[in-house]
Amino acid sequence: TQLLEQSPQFLSIQEGENLTVYCNSSSVFSSLQWYRQEPGEGPVLLVTVVTGGEVKKLKRLTFQFGDARKDSSLHITAAQPGDTGLYLCAGALYGNNDMRFGAGTRLTVKP
Amino acid sequence: DARVTQTPRHKVTEMGQEVTMRCQPILGHNTVFWYRQTMMQGLELLAYFRNRAPLDDSGMPKDRFSAEMPDATLATLKIQPSEPRDSAVYFCASGLVLTGTGSNQPQHFGDGTRLSIL
Repeated sequence: TQLLEQSPQFLSIQEGENLTVYCNSSSVFSSLQWYRQEPGEGPVLLVTVVTGGEVKKLKRLTFQFGDARKDSSLHITAAQPGDTGLYLCAGALYGNNDMRFGAGTRLTVKP
Repeated sequence: DARVTQTPRHKVTEMGQEVTMRCQPILGHNTVFWYRQTMMQGLELLAYFRNRAPLDDSGMPKDRFSAEMPDATLATLKIQPSEPRDSAVYFCASGLVLTGTGSNQPQHFGDGTRLSIL
């Protein structure tokens, strides 16, 4: 079983729609990161959240860290085809030196 | 922009052969990670180094995999002998982790080595 469970696993929507993807765990994290990965490339960092309840916005993307620091969500407003990709969350457990990744949500935005 | 460079980008070989994957981390980064990505397992951490010293290789099959950093500009991941189940995309990532800042620093990924073992 994954330390971080991401849902949904796959998501296909039309351009202009809104969507939310989730990253959940039973563990508490000192920080959590979201990455986007496009085909043939490595993941690219979108955001890091550190404080429980924290909300960060990146243009049409809104990231939230749960109050208990066990979960996070990514909301995209008015999705565009350029948002297509694999969205990965990664969490750092207290006392650890590394980040553990979820399996990802594969998003397809159709024109 | 500085980038993590991985070579080769693609490798196809027969089972039993030795495979060596190379990574040039971003200059100045003190932490280097090796990951393996498959559709079934997602992104798995294999090993990582801080200041060239191995910190954790618990994710790596020890009997056939080895990871080293001969110098600050080169990290290698070797598989010997290779098996079909090793087929995956292998990513190297580097980051700068300062004392006291923990592990929430961004990791910069290379574009991966796509390995196929026949």
